[in-house]
Amino acid sequence: DTGVSQDPRHKITKRGQNVTFRCDPISEHNRLYWYRQTLGQGPEFLTYFQNEAQLEKSRLLSDRFSAERPKGSFSTLEIQRTEQGDSAMYLCASSLVLAGDHEQYFGPGTRLTVT
Amino acid sequence: KQEVTQIPAALSVPEGENLVLNCSFTDSAIYNLQWFRQDPGKGLTSLLLIQSSQREQTSGRLNASLDKSSGRSTLYIAASQPGDSATYLCAVPLGGSNYKLTFGKGTLLTVNP
Repeated sequence: DTGVSQDPRHKITKRGQNVTFRCDPISEHNRLYWYRQTLGQGPEFLTYFQNEAQLEKSRLLSDRFSAERPKGSFSTLEIQRTEQGDSAMYLCASSLVLAGDHEQYFGPGTRLTVT
Repeated sequence: KQEVTQIPAALSVPEGENLVLNCSFTDSAIYNLQWFRQDPGKGLTSLLLIQSSQREQTSGRLNASLDKSSGRSTLYIAASQPGDSATYLCAVPLGGSNYKLTFGKGTLLTVNP
């Protein structure tokens, strides 16, 4: 078991560019969550998938953000026309909904810096 | 709307001291409560998960308690070590089907040798 992985670990981009992040969950986990964390704050929920279906999106997720989870495996989070306010750590987590505890396991995160 | 508060925001202790971190939440209809550790610039490591029906969970030097009715949880760390220095976050999912976590801002712990 390799745990949750995220790629890239760091991304520096110029304002207005598009960026895409990838998350690979623990292999048997059917739930996948995206969170965003800014400096000094706890993570905030963005969206989640059960298998390939995106079931909820936070109001934090503007129309510049899109997430996918094709085939219910890895997930991508794309940000179009990046703004400086998008600079944050983007965290992915996965869980097994059939398990009684629904414990979420987090990846190492992708730190985005928009210049 | 669920709100999670962690007190203190920062704590500095000498090595070997026992310490308590506090977490409170406004909506007691939680499914469980998780405590996480976060090292600077890193992701979150799950430390303990307490189901809503449980009162406490233990892992090594860590003990977490849950009082759902009063909306409180504590994380007790025994015999603290410099390697325990990190930010500790608590998080709760409301009951329902999505289990999305609401986090506190965390407690920054520094254990001095």
